[in-house]
Amino acid sequence: QVQLQESGPGLVKSSEILSLTCTVFGGPMGTYYWTWLRQSPGKGLEWIGYVWYTGSTNYNPSLRGRVAILLDTSKNEVALKLRSVTAADTAVYYCARSEWGYAFDPWGPGTLVIVSS
Amino acid sequence: EIVMTQSPLSLPVTPGEPASISCRSSQSLLHTNGYKYLDWYLQKPGQSPQLLIYSGSSRASGVPDRFSGTGSGTDFTLRISRVEAEDVGVYYCMQGLQTPYTFGQGTKLEIK
Repeated sequence: QVQLQESGPGLVKSSEILSLTCTVFGGPMGTYYWTWLRQSPGKGLEWIGYVWYTGSTNYNPSLRGRVAILLDTSKNEVALKLRSVTAADTAVYYCARSEWGYAFDPWGPGTLVIVSS
Repeated sequence: EIVMTQSPLSLPVTPGEPASISCRSSQSLLHTNGYKYLDWYLQKPGQSPQLLIYSGSSRASGVPDRFSGTGSGTDFTLRISRVEAEDVGVYYCMQGLQTPYTFGQGTKLEIK
């Protein structure tokens, strides 16, 4: 069965770029939507956006153009890049797969990113 | 964006008893295609969320049949027919009708 694993720096300095990778194990990337979400104590669960297998993307407007999600099927990876981070971006970041854009299954275990000043 | 509101926020339950969680959306989640774009997730302690129910009432693969989802329009309910100890955690509803997809605040189920 497919498993997802997030990886990347656990500490990012304010105003810099947060870069995370989601590696897909146990199956091809297929025709799915690959989604990033995050969870912080103050804001609960938040949908960041997705990339479809075609390469098309859809992002949360709340991130004001700071976000990019990229697909690399040759490496079975999905990348998240969030620029100009602040303390408000401190959260556990998850990647997840979806057949239709919603109904996320499975999720990765998540990775904690702390933004420091 | 669509606002999702859950109640109660805390739910103590005796094992073997039923439990019910309500989720209300700020606009109808019933699409013209007949699908209801409402998911339920469970986040067990120390784990990432897992999909329980999609399209309002369809159980995800491997989910026990004691979990059921009902509702339409703006009002949805997740029911557990007989709560077991392994059901503890935080339950979230999420709308998938339009982006940005949005979650409810979560309902923490605990065993009495």
